[in-house]
Amino acid sequence: GESVGLHLPTLSVQEGDNSIINCAYSNSASDYFIWYKQESGKGPQFIIDIRSNMDKRQGQRVTVLLNKTVKHLSLQIAATQPGDSAVYFCAEKTIRNQFYFGTGTSLTVIP
Amino acid sequence: EAQVTQNPRYLITVTGKKLTVTCSQNMNHEYMSWYRQDPGLGLRQIYYSMNVEVTDKGDVPEGYKVSRKEKRNFPLILESPSPNQTSLYFCASSPRSGPSYEQYFGPGTRLTVT
Repeated sequence: GESVGLHLPTLSVQEGDNSIINCAYSNSASDYFIWYKQESGKGPQFIIDIRSNMDKRQGQRVTVLLNKTVKHLSLQIAATQPGDSAVYFCAEKTIRNQFYFGTGTSLTVIP
Repeated sequence: EAQVTQNPRYLITVTGKKLTVTCSQNMNHEYMSWYRQDPGLGLRQIYYSMNVEVTDKGDVPEGYKVSRKEKRNFPLILESPSPNQTSLYFCASSPRSGPSYEQYFGPGTRLTVT
């Protein structure tokens, strides 16, 4: 099967600082990589995605970086807020439209 | 309100007793999928459907069945549940018009099999 993993299971940041969440993937046949946010007791929520032929994509306060050479994906959150506290999952979509998720990183924002 | 609904939200059952978890979306999405979420393992895809009458196995399909007779509904069937199917289950849907299939998730169904 596929392997999508995260470097750190937990991350704590001060409010206002930038957060960086990392993810390693192993499948080279994926055409999109996606980040999801999951708050306690809820289903995952789409944040941002990036196509496999891109290196960087920016959204509102978030940036996703893709390094295909080392099969590494990262999510940067600018000016982290208490509402950003959640579990973040990376996922990859294969060309067959299957999805593989990482194990998640728990982000805690310290006021 | 655009949403994905699942029923029931919580279910406790016994080994071998057939059960169905329903999933419905009101967004006219073509793509629907089922996942299970277990501690330390993230979400794993069970089955997915590209459209009506089209279903495919995901990463962990053993012990599950699905059907897609209508576009809005995608029920998950456990013919003979076992304790290792105790998990949190999520249904998701997405339009095929977007390139990455941005998925909208339901609220989850917590299943316990004793």
